[in-house]
Amino acid sequence: GDSVTQTEGQVALSEEDFLTIHCNYSASGYPALFWYVQYPGEGPQFLFRASRDKEKGSSRGFEATYDKGTTSFHLRKASVQESDSAVYYCALGDLTQVVGQLTFGRGTRLQVYA
Amino acid sequence: AQTIHQWPVAEIKAVGSPLSLGCTIKGKSSPNLYWYWQATGGTLQQLFYSITVGQVESVVQLNLSASRPKDDQFILSTEKLLLSHSGFYLCAWSLEGANSDYTFGSGTRLLVI
Repeated sequence: GDSVTQTEGQVALSEEDFLTIHCNYSASGYPALFWYVQYPGEGPQFLFRASRDKEKGSSRGFEATYDKGTTSFHLRKASVQESDSAVYYCALGDLTQVVGQLTFGRGTRLQVYA
Repeated sequence: AQTIHQWPVAEIKAVGSPLSLGCTIKGKSSPNLYWYWQATGGTLQQLFYSITVGQVESVVQLNLSASRPKDDQFILSTEKLLLSHSGFYLCAWSLEGANSDYTFGSGTRLLVI
């Protein structure tokens, strides 16, 4: 079945560091890729999506480019802030489906230290 | 603006007791609705989805059931809770189509003891 693999566990950075969280997918249909962010005690929030090869999604200084060749959608940010500390989820949808049935990765916890 | 409200915010329940969690969406007609479950520190597992009133599809069997009695309401329930039901339950809505993003509620934290 369709699956998403992202950077395991926790990423610890200092403020103004560069962030990369890797996301790779395996899908048989026509994938759409998403990034969500979850702060403690809250539901996940949509960051952005991409559904075509080489399409770039971005929001709040985060960005990712859909690469069909490497089946990847890595999340990047040039300069992280302490307020970016949260859990980030990569998610996979199938454009052939009428109903979204997002498959989420296991999440990557980002901890940014001042 | 659309709003999504989940209730209760948190519950502590005994094993074997019944459960009912609710979710209401305001400001959007005929949304797709979803229930997700998240174990502590875990990923998000889709449980059910619904595209219209009275129709609910199960994605994962966890001895839970769901119903959509009104266009804007989604209910998750069970008659007998298990310890394994503990976790964070999230309701979400989206527009039609797999390219639509989800808007999640604030969740219900459930502890089964």
